[in-house]
Amino acid sequence: ETGVTQSPTHLIKTRGQQVTLRCSSQSGHNTVSWYQQALGQGPQFIFQYYREEENGRGNFPPRFSGLQFPNYSSELNVNALELDDSALYLCASSLESGGGPDYEQYFGPGTRLTVT
Amino acid sequence: DQQVKQNSPSLSVQEGRISILNCDYTNSMFDYFLWYKKYPAEGPTFLISISSIKDKNEDGRFTVFLNKSAKHLSLHIVPSQPGDSAVYFCAASDGGSNYKLTFGKGTLLTVNP
Repeated sequence: ETGVTQSPTHLIKTRGQQVTLRCSSQSGHNTVSWYQQALGQGPQFIFQYYREEENGRGNFPPRFSGLQFPNYSSELNVNALELDDSALYLCASSLESGGGPDYEQYFGPGTRLTVT
Repeated sequence: DQQVKQNSPSLSVQEGRISILNCDYTNSMFDYFLWYKKYPAEGPTFLISISSIKDKNEDGRFTVFLNKSAKHLSLHIVPSQPGDSAVYFCAASDGGSNYKLTFGKGTLLTVNP
């Protein structure tokens, strides 16, 4: 069974730039959620993708957007980067089996984004 | 407004003794609770969970207790091992359409040999 993978592991960007982070879900999982973890904080829900559509969004501005592909992999895009966007970005996958997504989500190692 | 609170930023325990990590929540709509463990440079790893219809769930050395009236849950690790040293996150979900997880800030557990 393949776990959740994310790329790249580290990234440095300049304020105002755009960034794309990638995630491959655990095999057999069809739902992907993205979380932002700032230093000293717990992960905070950004949004979730299911069947290639956004399925719920946290308190993040529209410059945070995403995609899910037919193979269930996903991208997180952030436009007009701000210094406060510096964080660990975590992708988590879960299985939706008809009654809704599973509560239990399985996380990748994260992408550390630094905005200067 | 933090809906999930872990008020102890850190906890230090001797190997072989019990570790008790606490978590409080304010949202009465939460119906499922999870504990994750996180090592440096890794993503959170699912540890154990409990549904709101239960008050205890056990898995090996790990037991989670839920007190709904107090909106409090705790994770017991016994016996504690040095490999248990990590940051532990409490998370909760209210189901809804996407079962999103709301996390606490985490507790750093150090188990000393």
